[in-house]
Amino acid sequence: GIQVEQSPPDLILQEGANSTLRCNFSDSVNNLQWFHQNPWGQLINLFYIPSGTKQNGRLSATTVATERYSLLYISSSQTTDSGVYFCAVDTGTASKLTFGTGTRLQVTL
Amino acid sequence: DAEITQSPRHKITETGRQVTLACHQTWNHNNMFWYRQDLGHGLRLIHYSYGVQDTNKGEVSDGYSVSRSNTEDLPLTLESAASSQTSVYFCASSDSGRSYEQYFGPGTRLTVT
Repeated sequence: GIQVEQSPPDLILQEGANSTLRCNFSDSVNNLQWFHQNPWGQLINLFYIPSGTKQNGRLSATTVATERYSLLYISSSQTTDSGVYFCAVDTGTASKLTFGTGTRLQVTL
Repeated sequence: DAEITQSPRHKITETGRQVTLACHQTWNHNNMFWYRQDLGHGLRLIHYSYGVQDTNKGEVSDGYSVSRSNTEDLPLTLESAASSQTSVYFCASSDSGRSYEQYFGPGTRLTVT
């Protein structure tokens, strides 16, 4: 099956710093989503981005499907950004997601 | 607002007991999914359904079953709970028409003692 690798596995930032999270996948995809799992365990949809670039406030994402990677940018980080960020992909039209193992982000004051 | 809910949110059960976790969505989505989340494994797909009366096995389906009798609900049953099934369980749904974006419920934390 498809392999999904996320980097870095762990990241510690001071409030106000910027960061880039990366997701590499081993096959072409029809669906790619970024999620934030907050400290309470809730999975929050950030982006549905099988290709192209999207922005939502301080967050933006870019997927280069031909090169099989996606990037999540977090600007001016806040303590509420802490948690685990997951990339998940689907290779077909079946809408079955394969998750990466996540990037754990801690934002400190 | 449309939403997806799971119940119970927390459950402790004994080895060998049958357990059913509920998932209910008001998005009117055709597709529904069950995942489990374990440390070191991320989220893994257990079962999924593309519509009423349709069910399919996922990556880690052994010991689990689902049934789909209506659009809104996909209950997950553990036939005989095992300690290896201690995990956090997430239900999700997606529309089969417009996009494949999945939306997740709040999760159920299950402990098998």
